[in-house]
Amino acid sequence: GENVEQHPSTLSVQEGDSAVIKCTYSDSASNYFPWYKQELGKRPQLIIDIRSNVGEKKDQRIAVTLNKTAKHFSLHITETQPEDSAVYFCAADPPAGKSTFGDGTTLTVKP
Amino acid sequence: NAGVTQTPKFQVLKTGQSMTLQCAQDMNHNSMYWYRQDPGMGLRLIYYSASEGTTDKGEVPNGYNVSRLNKREFSLRLESAAPSQTSVYFCASSEGLRQGGWNTEAFFGQGTRLTVV
Repeated sequence: GENVEQHPSTLSVQEGDSAVIKCTYSDSASNYFPWYKQELGKRPQLIIDIRSNVGEKKDQRIAVTLNKTAKHFSLHITETQPEDSAVYFCAADPPAGKSTFGDGTTLTVKP
Repeated sequence: NAGVTQTPKFQVLKTGQSMTLQCAQDMNHNSMYWYRQDPGMGLRLIYYSASEGTTDKGEVPNGYNVSRLNKREFSLRLESAAPSQTSVYFCASSEGLRQGGWNTEAFFGQGTRLTVV
């Protein structure tokens, strides 16, 4: 089945700096890559997603890039704010298997 | 529009007790999922249901059973709870255009924090 590795497991940045979280996946046929944000004690919620026919997608301060050849994708958050502090999960959705999450990255934005 | 609703929010069980976690969605989604979340291990799939009347095992199904009661409801049952089942459980749903996969956004319930002593 699909295997997703996510790095780093923890990330601490100063407010206003950028944050980058990287994920690699094993199934080259995976074609949907969502990112979820989970605030403390809350449910995971989708913040951005990308499909395999697109290399990059942006939504205000958040962007995701996908490199199909290398089988990795990244989440970029610019101008970080304290409310960006949360756990972020990447995931990969293969066409012939079960969707799989990475283990999560705890992002802390220091004021 | 409530989205995905799961009950209860908190539960403490003694080893060997049984319980059922309930989940309902009002988005007319085909697929529903049960995940468990443990510290440092992300979200692991327990069981899923690609459509009404079908269920299948995920990554960690041992010790659990599920029932897709109808298109809206998907329950998770622990027959004989063990301390290793202490976790936060999330139900989720998606349009799920194919077996086992989301294909689009998955919507999560608010979670059930289960402690087995």
